[in-house]
Amino acid sequence: GQQLNQSPQSMFIQEGEDVSMNCTSSSIFNTWLWYKQDPGEGPVLLIALYKAGELTSNGRLTAQFGITRKDSFLNISASIPSDVGIYFCAGVPGGNEKLTFGTGTRLTIIP
Amino acid sequence: GAVVSQHPSRVICKSGTSVKIECRSLDFQATTMFWYRQFPKKSLMLMATSNEGSKATYEQGVEKDKFLINHASLTLSTLTVTSAHPEDSSFYICSASRGYSNQPQHFGDGTRLSIL
Repeated sequence: GQQLNQSPQSMFIQEGEDVSMNCTSSSIFNTWLWYKQDPGEGPVLLIALYKAGELTSNGRLTAQFGITRKDSFLNISASIPSDVGIYFCAGVPGGNEKLTFGTGTRLTIIP
Repeated sequence: GAVVSQHPSRVICKSGTSVKIECRSLDFQATTMFWYRQFPKKSLMLMATSNEGSKATYEQGVEKDKFLINHASLTLSTLTVTSAHPEDSSFYICSASRGYSNQPQHFGDGTRLSIL
């Protein structure tokens, strides 16, 4: 099935650094979601975006729904060890609820 | 936040065994539940969409006779992997939604299935 292009594929950063990742698509989505998955667990919803141009924060996380409705980005400020994991974007095309997932960004914090 | 419980978390069984995985929404009525499969270091791939009281809709390439889905109530969906073989070994994850377009999916913690 279709997957969204998510970049970067992996990131190695030091604690305290800011992180930025994005997700792009060739088609329009009506909803963008960002999830975090820890090893051996299911994805946990971080932020949901429902309107083009929308900018939403959840603590140190900020996500935006692109104006074209074909992209979204997620920023994490002042990273901490518990931010380690895999981040997935997911889009809902509208008309149904099926999610299309991004390829994931693996975040590693270097001690 | 919304809580989705998935059970069991891990199953190890012999080839030829059928395995049932349960997905429960604990604090909301889930009109729609979804079943995903995830291979190591890969993203989630949707297997099927399950609506309460009706037959599941399977994605292309997913064998409906191999992966039986039942959604008998608004809080419970089950996935049965019939006559499982080693190639069915994977991480299976369910999600639940209230069924409205502005309601995101909430995921269970997944089931690690290992077929010997």
